[in-house]
Order: sequence, then C-alpha cells, then structure tokens
Amino acid sequence: DAGVIQSPRHEVTEMGQEVTLRCKPISGHDYLFWYRQTMMRGLELLIYFNNNVPIDDSGMPEDRFSAKMPNASFSTLKIQPSEPRDSAVYFCASSPYGTGELFFGEGSRLTVL
Amino acid sequence: SQQGEEDPQALSIQEGENATMNCSYKTSINNLQWYRQNSGRGLVHLILIRSNEREKHSGRLRVTLDTSKKSSSLLITASRAADTASYFCATIGSNYKLTFGKGTLLTVNP
Repeated sequence: DAGVIQSPRHEVTEMGQEVTLRCKPISGHDYLFWYRQTMMRGLELLIYFNNNVPIDDSGMPEDRFSAKMPNASFSTLKIQPSEPRDSAVYFCASSPYGTGELFFGEGSRLTVL
Repeated sequence: SQQGEEDPQALSIQEGENATMNCSYKTSINNLQWYRQNSGRGLVHLILIRSNEREKHSGRLRVTLDTSKKSSSLLITASRAADTASYFCATIGSNYKLTFGKGTLLTVNP
C-alpha cells in the first residue's frame, strides 16, 4: 500500500484566501484523523472520522475550519478565510482501529502571508 | 491540550550510547504509544504498550509503563546517527482520542 497520501505538500497563500488540504487514507482503515503541528502548540487533534462520519470536532479552532469525508478514500480540510496564524503543518492519519497505531501522511506545510 | 509531556525536551548523545526519554501523563489511559518524527516528515509509530502491561521490547527499543505514577520511558540502546529525530509519546483514553506530547529532540552524534 502507498500509505496515507496528502496534497499539497507545500502551500503558500495570502491572508483571506481559501485553502483546501486533501488526504487519501490507507485502504481499509476505518478511522481518519486531522492534526495540526506548530512549534508553540505541538500536535493538536483537530477532528476525527469513523466510517466517514465526524466523531469529534472539538479541536477545530474556529468556524473558518471545516472538514469532510465524502467517502472512505478521501477527506478534505478547508480553511476559509485563511489567516497568518493558521500557518502550520497539517497531518492526516488513518488507523484500522480506534485505539491502535496511527499511520501518518507526510503532511501539508501551510504558510499564510 | 497535551496529555503527555516528554522529558527532556532535548537530548544529545554519542553514537553507541543509550538514550532514555520519559513521558508523564495526567489521566487514565487505554494505551500509550511512542512515535518518531524525522525532520520534515510525518510521524512513524514505534511501539504501543497497553495499560495492563509494564514493559515491552522491540528491537533496540524498550518501553516501560508505570500507571501508578502515570509515566512511561523509552530506552533506545546502542544509538546510531540515524536515530536522530523527535520522539513523541501519545496517550489514548476512554474518549478514543490520541493526544501527543511536545516531544524530545534526540541528536545522536557520530
């Protein structure tokens, strides 16, 4: 299997623009997680899905953030409008079990100017 | 908010030495996991220890768990330059959310 695939790997945008990050989980994994990593706050869980259904979105910072999982092989994290404080590395991870190991993608590094 | 806290924040050793990293957490857990992250890459799972286990081994890795002290340690024996990375502990509780500490940056000097 190719592992968790994220795109884009790097995104530079201007404040106010819409940003869409994409994730393809490992086939057969029922759980999908979105994390954000910054130097100041470390790794923060934003939202996770089980069988395409959002289970916990309490980590989503604001209404500017939204995530969807229209099917088992695709998820998006959208930021609209983007702000400089959204600059971070966003990771997608999938897992076959809710309490087992996570398989991470390589991340999407977002810079908002 | 972070559940686990790693200690030390940074560790620098010579190749061949052992490296020990510690993790403390606050609430009861289902299991505790250790991950590794090379610079600019995603996290890679190293080892999982369940709350009813006290010690686990995997190759050069040894993990201990003390639930009474709410702490865990990761020992890497005979370190190599390729072990240079950040190491994170992560805990999962009854809410099934895996939360990470801020990590220990390990530098192994050749």
